[in-house]
Amino acid sequence: EVQLVQSGAEVKKPGESLKISCKGSGYSFTSYWIGWVRQMPGKGLEWMGIIYPGNSDTRYSPSFQGQVTISADKSISTAYVQWSSLKASDTAMYYCARLGGGNGVADYWGQGTLVTVSS
Amino acid sequence: QSALTQPASVSGSPGQSITISCTGTSSDVGGYNYVSWYQQHPGKAPKLMIYDVSNRPSGVSNRFSGSKSGNTASLTISGLQAEDEADYYCSSYTSSTTYVFGSGTKVTVL
Repeated sequence: EVQLVQSGAEVKKPGESLKISCKGSGYSFTSYWIGWVRQMPGKGLEWMGIIYPGNSDTRYSPSFQGQVTISADKSISTAYVQWSSLKASDTAMYYCARLGGGNGVADYWGQGTLVTVSS
Repeated sequence: QSALTQPASVSGSPGQSITISCTGTSSDVGGYNYVSWYQQHPGKAPKLMIYDVSNRPSGVSNRFSGSKSGNTASLTISGLQAEDEADYYCSSYTSSTTYVFGSGTKVTVL
């Protein structure tokens, strides 16, 4: 059974750093792209970027380039997104998803990680 | 890279059919047959409903269908049911080798 399990909710202060994770199981982790999606409170879905764990090829959506770093550790089948200095506007639910079709088909999703940034 | 344009809300009575549009440009929706649709119930992760414009994943009801004409893709829900009440998002591959979601549509079953 394909599963993506994300790390737990985080409460951080502005300026702090953070790394959240997404662990894949039940499939060949290195053979499928993983995408990260942001959903701000009461708002829509936004693609942040994607990574191919097999060779760490990473592509960022223009709005997120330079704002976050997406990475993966294929030895433990885990993808990450990290912030070096959080802002209140980073408060959101973050989802990871497996791109099963190779063309943006997010066929399996993680349960989401809620990040709250508040002083 | 702007979000694809969807109507904010669409409503229908049980048993009726509704259609949600998703308008982009020739650099995304119009340029590729890589449009997907997702359903999201409150507090839940999105669920894939349609991929590659008109294909349904295993397990998704055949009441859901997709199509595309030019720069606009569409999701049709026929035989509307109470459980279809949710937010729906389209997504497309783009010429920047990334992806973009639509603005989202809230479907209400009257």
